[in-house]
Amino acid sequence: QSALTQTASVSGSPGQSITISCTGSSSDVGGYNSVSWYQLHPDKAPKLIIYDVTKRPSGVSNHFSGSKSGNTASLTISGLQAEDEADYYCCSYTSSSTWVFGGGTKLTVL
Amino acid sequence: EVQLVESGGDLVQPGGSLKLSCSASGFTFTVSTMHWVRQASGKGLEWIGQIGIKTNNYPTIYGASMKGKFTISRDDSRNTVYLHMNSLKTDDTARYYCKVWLGELASDYWGQGALVTVSS
Repeated sequence: QSALTQTASVSGSPGQSITISCTGSSSDVGGYNSVSWYQLHPDKAPKLIIYDVTKRPSGVSNHFSGSKSGNTASLTISGLQAEDEADYYCCSYTSSSTWVFGGGTKLTVL
Repeated sequence: EVQLVESGGDLVQPGGSLKLSCSASGFTFTVSTMHWVRQASGKGLEWIGQIGIKTNNYPTIYGASMKGKFTISRDDSRNTVYLHMNSLKTDDTARYYCKVWLGELASDYWGQGALVTVSS
C-alpha cells in the first residue's frame, strides 16, 4: 500500500484560507468515508483534527474543515493563525483492512 | 483521563531485536483495538499495525511493508500492548507511538512515543 499523495508544502498569510489535498485511490480514500487528518507540531504527539472526512473531534476549532471528492480528500484551514503552522497528515482506511498515511504537508504561516 | 505511556525505547545494533510496551489507562482497554505508528526523524507517519480484542481472538493486521519485522501482542490483565521488533535496520530508527480510537469520545489518543535508535 503506497502512501497517499500530499503536496509537500503550502503557505498562507494570517487570515487567509488554504487547502491541503490528499490523493489516493478507489481502494482507500475513494472507497471509504474513513479519512482523517492530523496536525503535528515539533516534539508533540499527532493531534486528530478531522475524522470520517468531515467530522471534528470535540475541542477542535471550526476553522478546520474536511471534504472529499472521488479519490481526493481535502483539509481546509480558514482564517489562518500563526499557531496553525505545523505538519499535516491525512490517513485513510484501505481495502486491505489497513490504514495508510499521506506523505505529509508542511504549512508555513507567512 | 485517557493515558498511553510507551516504554522500552533504546539504542540497538543493526540486526537486533527490541520490545516496546504501551501501558494504557483511563478507558476500557479490553474492548479497544490498539495501533502502533512510527515516525522517523524528518519523515512521515507510518502505520505499523493493530491488534483487536479477545472476543475476536485478538486479530492482528500489519501494513504491507511491516509484515515479518513487527509483531503486536497485548496483555489485557496489564492493560498493555506490545510491539516486538526484529532484524532491525538503521531505517527503523524512529519514534514509535501507540494509539487508540475511542468511539464514545469520538477522538483518538496517542502516547508520547518511544525513541528507537538503530546504530552500530
